[in-house]
Amino acid sequence: AQKVTQAQTEISVVEKEDVTLDCVYETRDTTYYLFWYKQPPSGELVFLIRRNSFDEQNEISGRYSWNFQKSTSSFNFTITASQVVDSAVYFCALSEGGYSTLTFGKGTMLLVSP
Amino acid sequence: DAGVIQSPRHEVTEMGQEVTLRCKPISGHNSLFWYRQTMMRGLELLIYFNNNVPIDDSGMPEDRFSAKMPNASFSTLKIQPSEPRDSAVYFCASRPTQGANQPQHFGDGTRLSIL
Repeated sequence: AQKVTQAQTEISVVEKEDVTLDCVYETRDTTYYLFWYKQPPSGELVFLIRRNSFDEQNEISGRYSWNFQKSTSSFNFTITASQVVDSAVYFCALSEGGYSTLTFGKGTMLLVSP
Repeated sequence: DAGVIQSPRHEVTEMGQEVTLRCKPISGHNSLFWYRQTMMRGLELLIYFNNNVPIDDSGMPEDRFSAKMPNASFSTLKIQPSEPRDSAVYFCASRPTQGANQPQHFGDGTRLSIL
């Protein structure tokens, strides 16, 4: 069975600090996909990134970067120079190969103070 | 491009009443999902359709919940009779194909309060 663990329930930082959100997953499949979603205070869920199990190359998009390490079953998300607008709940999710659905972690609430 | 559209955005009703939540997926998307989000349980998948056919309804809590997808552009989630413990945010999401590699795109959710 697939499982996603986000051990950090809540993180508070001051603007311009770097912050890393941890995600650890469990799966028996060799083919799987990892996702990050953002849920701002307004409540909608916004897709951020997808990674497949065959691609361990890290990705950077502006202030966001993702570190995928199969050896530790982790897919961590780093925000560089955080801003108040980054305040949100961030969800890591996993789907296994084929026609699987998403399994979400419990989410990490990030609060960025000015 | 229009995203996933859910209605209503908010619903407050009394225990025992029937509640119907509506969803219009992104045009061309073949898979549709209903989720429930609560503080205690997080995001839970309720039911998943592909090409209008229910594929997995193992997350539907009990017989009071039912979901339909009469066509590719519309789905409903119904609760009858509603109970206070059904209070939650209900999300609908759609995905381009059945493939697990595709991201799901979510609507803004319906915040349901049962008094």
